[in-house]
Amino acid sequence: AQSVTQLGSHVSVSEGALVLLRCNYSSSVPPYLFWYVQYPNQGLQLLLKYTTGATLVKGINGFEAEFKKSETSFHLTKPSAHMSDAAEYFCAVSETGTASKLTFGTGTRLQVTL
Amino acid sequence: NAGVMQNPRHLVRRRGQEARLRCSPMKGHSHVYWYRQLPEEGLKFMVYLQKENIIDESGMPKERFSAEFPKEGPSILRIQQVVRGDSAAYFCASSVGGRRSSGANVLTFGAGSRLTVL
Repeated sequence: AQSVTQLGSHVSVSEGALVLLRCNYSSSVPPYLFWYVQYPNQGLQLLLKYTTGATLVKGINGFEAEFKKSETSFHLTKPSAHMSDAAEYFCAVSETGTASKLTFGTGTRLQVTL
Repeated sequence: NAGVMQNPRHLVRRRGQEARLRCSPMKGHSHVYWYRQLPEEGLKFMVYLQKENIIDESGMPKERFSAEFPKEGPSILRIQQVVRGDSAAYFCASSVGGRRSSGANVLTFGAGSRLTVL
């Protein structure tokens, strides 16, 4: 069985500040890990994914995430927040070979203030 | 190249009525997935389909819910005799490959259908 825990349902940062959204996972086999972003009244858009290889993954809009097996974490970061980053962010895991069934965290709503 | 198309975007039903949600996958995608998002929760997997086949329905409620993906036309998620607890956003996603694909199988999501049961 697999699961995802996102610490902090709401995160608020100032524009230009570092963004750090936390994600810890549980999986019995090597996982595939994903971050999706959801803007109001829209579907989910893939930000980045980790499958194999390099543990630091770069995504769209300046976001990146690092897979740390020893910590079972896949935290999402961005050096400098922009107002347009305000959205809901979902971490998801799938087990290798069964990538069709994603298990999502409960989401973190990012607020960016002036 | 249109993405995943879902309709209706908003649907209001009274208790006991039927709700039908439609999903057209991205061009070239033959695998469809339905997820449900309840208020203040993440997305929960419901069902995974290929054309004319249900591959995995482990997330579907045992009663009142059904899904199909016919040879021609969109995938349909059908909810019979809706109750207030069915009020949620229902997201469809599609992918090129499925369970047996090598590598990560990236899902592309539609904008969702928001069902409100009065």
